[in-house]
Amino acid sequence: NAGVTQTPKFQVLKTGQSMTLQCAQDMNHEYMSWYRQDPGMGLRLIHYSVGAGITDQGEVPNGYNVSRSTTEDFPLRLLSAAPSQTSVYFCASRSRGTNTGELFFGEGSRLTVL
Amino acid sequence: KQEVTQIPAALSVPEGENLVLNCSFTDSAIYNLQWFRQDPGKGLTSLLLIQSSQREQTSGRLNASLDKSSGRSTLYIAASQPGDSATYLCAVVHGSSNTGKLIFGQGTTLQVKP
Repeated sequence: NAGVTQTPKFQVLKTGQSMTLQCAQDMNHEYMSWYRQDPGMGLRLIHYSVGAGITDQGEVPNGYNVSRSTTEDFPLRLLSAAPSQTSVYFCASRSRGTNTGELFFGEGSRLTVL
Repeated sequence: KQEVTQIPAALSVPEGENLVLNCSFTDSAIYNLQWFRQDPGKGLTSLLLIQSSQREQTSGRLNASLDKSSGRSTLYIAASQPGDSATYLCAVVHGSSNTGKLIFGQGTTLQVKP
């Protein structure tokens, strides 16, 4: 059972380039989300999805796009990378249910924008 | 706006000590609170989840308590070991429903010296 898988683990971009961070989970979780982690800022929610075809904005959505065409995948797209998007990105998922809530995280994607 | 604070930012203790990590939140309207562990360069691992109606949760040497009225949670680690060295983060789901949108504290980095 792989859990939450993120690719790539490391990426260097130039300002203005675009790229997609991939996230896949094999636990049939309805909820998936993207966070970014910056020194001194903790983790902040970028985008969120409660199921296929449904997405929602988090605290820091600007500069990022998401889509959820399948239950398993939740890619995060940077349309025109900026140095301020240098960060570690984490994808997370959890099962729907009123008595659950435990979030499962991937190991992160470390992005540097020059 | 819900804010989560963890104090201290860093803590160093000798092996064998019992210790308490603190987490405070500004708005008592939370759905649940979750404690995570993060090892350097890794993702987050869920340790304990406390629903808003619960007062505490225990797992092995870990005990987490929740006092909604005062906006506080503590993570108690008994008989600390060098392997407990990591960053510990708390996070809350704000509101009355399980949106899955976590608001994180900045974490406490723990070092347990042999």
